Amino acid sequence: KNEVEQSPQNLTAQEGEFITINCSYSVGISALHWLQQHPGGGIVSLFMLSSGKKKHGRLIATINIQEKHSSLHITASHPRDSAVYICAVRINYKLTFGKGTLLTVNP
Amino acid sequence: DSGVTQTPKHLITATGQRVTLRCSPRSGDLSVYWYQQSLDQGLQFLIQYYNGEERAKGNILERFSAQQFPDLHSELNLSSLELGDSALYFCASSVPGSEFGNEQFFGPGTRLTVL
Repeated sequence: KNEVEQSPQNLTAQEGEFITINCSYSVGISALHWLQQHPGGGIVSLFMLSSGKKKHGRLIATINIQEKHSSLHITASHPRDSAVYICAVRINYKLTFGKGTLLTVNP
Repeated sequence: DSGVTQTPKHLITATGQRVTLRCSPRSGDLSVYWYQQSLDQGLQFLIQYYNGEERAKGNILERFSAQQFPDLHSELNLSSLELGDSALYFCASSVPGSEFGNEQFFGPGTRLTVL
C-alpha cells in the first residue's frame, strides 16, 4: 500500500466548476506539499501545509492532521488549470509522493 | 521561472555509459534535492544536500552519486546506465529548513533517454 494515496486519478471538469482533489496518508508527517505539473513537465510548488488551511488566489488547501487527510480545492476552474496535481508528504526530511491527479478543464 | 537551473535539458546516451546532471539552486538556498520521475514509479526522492553535506537519502541506486560544491551547485552522476534509468530528473532547492521543512522550488528537469 502506498504511503500517499490520491483521488481521483483522473478528473474532467467544465470551466467554472469547483474542483476537489484528495490526499490521504498513512504515517505521521511533518508537512504536506501540493505540487502542480504542467504537460511540459515543469513542477510548481503550490502549498506547503503543516496544519489548517491556506489560500492562494483560486486555490485552497486544507489539512486534517488527526484524520491524515488533505484536500486541494480549485474555485472557478479554468482550462489553464489543466495539469497533474501531486500531493507529497514530508517524513524525516524526505518527500514521498502520490501518483498524481490528472485534471482536465474543458472550456 | 523558479530560479533553479538544470543542465542539460535533454540527454540521450547508451546503456553502460555515465552522465552528469547539473543543478544550480536559487540564490541563497542552501538545500538541494534530487528527484527521479519515471512513467512506472512516478516521482521519487533520491538525495538531499544541505550546505555541502548529505542530509537525507532516498531510493538512490548505488550506481548513482551526487555532491554539492562550495558554490552550492550540485551534480548528480549516473553510471553504468540501464534502459530503466530513462526518466526526468528534477532538482529542487529550498532555504535553510525549519523543523517542518520549507517550500521547494523545482528546476525544469533533465530528460534522460538511455538507448
